[in-house]
Amino acid sequence: DVKVTQSSRYLVKRTGEKVFLECVQDMDHENMFWYRQDPGLGLRLIYFSYDVKMKEKGDIPEGYSVSREKKERFSLILESASTNQTSMYLCASSSGQGIGGGTIYFGEGSWLTVV
Amino acid sequence: DAKTTQPPSMDCAEGRAANLPCNHSTISGNEYVYWYRQIHSQGPQYIIHGLKNNETNEMASLIITEDRKSSTLILPHATLRDTAVYYCIVGRYYGGATNKLIFGTGTLLAVQP
Repeated sequence: DVKVTQSSRYLVKRTGEKVFLECVQDMDHENMFWYRQDPGLGLRLIYFSYDVKMKEKGDIPEGYSVSREKKERFSLILESASTNQTSMYLCASSSGQGIGGGTIYFGEGSWLTVV
Repeated sequence: DAKTTQPPSMDCAEGRAANLPCNHSTISGNEYVYWYRQIHSQGPQYIIHGLKNNETNEMASLIITEDRKSSTLILPHATLRDTAVYYCIVGRYYGGATNKLIFGTGTLLAVQP
């Protein structure tokens, strides 16, 4: 089974702090994604990466950056956390190859509260 | 990516089949229909996907109309653990960087004892 692991399930951070959310996948997938999920807004794509050191902006990249130094690891960085970044963050991956390659697999989510 | 329309909520009795509809009238020829579900406070879970033929796996069946403008996810014997938000999404089959899968607000399925 595909496993996408997010390092922190629950975090509380102060406004202005730099926050790192880590994600690791164990299926050698090419693509990795960061979404955030808010009530009434569904899942919104922040950034994605289709290869090591490659990244693309999603629909709501403002206030975020990402890092992908190794294929299995994709980090989301909040440079200066703000209260409107309080949300659940979801990491996901997909192989991008062959049959079912478009299927995206998600981690359990990280609940971030910025106070 | 094509948009989808789902009812906001549905109820189903435990042990009965749950039939969740989805409209995707603007789907294009190279787009698949994917279904995910999300149990409260967890990440979305992949259920099934299909192009134009009906599909079945250990979790569910997917029925896609001949014109591909709508589909139905069937949970044959719903249990309380199937209570979740179910998302119907269309996206490209071959993956790649652009297959981001746009999630809507889904259908909240409540399985009643």
